[in-house]
Amino acid sequence: DAGITQSPRYKITETGRQVTLMCHQTWSHSYMFWYRQDLGHGLRLIYYSAAADITDKGEVPDGYVVSRSKTENFPLTLESATRSQTSVYFCASSESHGYSNQPQHFGDGTRLSIL
Amino acid sequence: SQKIEQNSEALNIQEGKTATLTCNYTNYSPAYLQWYRQDPGRGPVFLLLIRENEKEKRKERLKVTFDTTLKQSLFHITASQPADSATYLCVLDDKIIFGKGTRLHILP
Repeated sequence: DAGITQSPRYKITETGRQVTLMCHQTWSHSYMFWYRQDLGHGLRLIYYSAAADITDKGEVPDGYVVSRSKTENFPLTLESATRSQTSVYFCASSESHGYSNQPQHFGDGTRLSIL
Repeated sequence: SQKIEQNSEALNIQEGKTATLTCNYTNYSPAYLQWYRQDPGRGPVFLLLIRENEKEKRKERLKVTFDTTLKQSLFHITASQPADSATYLCVLDDKIIFGKGTRLHILP
């Protein structure tokens, strides 16, 4: 079925480790987004991408790296994980013509715990 | 900086009544505003989009209003059902700023 999938659903790692969260969408949407969701903060944008090889920072980009070599994939990497990055991470996509006026389609999230 | 606030963290409504959720924003004039529903352990799901030149938008039992003078959007669920229990998020679309959400509980 078409959709947006995130993997893994759950991940436990240690501080200082590198961890990559995967996101794959089958709609060929131009735009993709990464958010983190924490109690008391709601959804906060980390990075987004308007197309392959085009990425830009969101509200909370520090400590994260993204890439977009293919339209359908948008991995998020924590190069040296810290406990403050424990969170639920959501990936989303939307159609072209810009993210304005287009609904976002979300994956079901990755729950990341950093010990 | 732009700020978005949603009313109360939790709202309890009796089944069959109308639930009204509020989204207020400051320091910005969005061209669009969207509402999403989020269930526990799931990602948000898009419900409705309303543009600044639209006063009201409807979809089945859902209604959204957008008052650019008050800088406020209201989200209504009529004839509410226990299945409507979820967290509802509003977002200033141009800036991709999400509110923290309102948890809605429909009591049978």
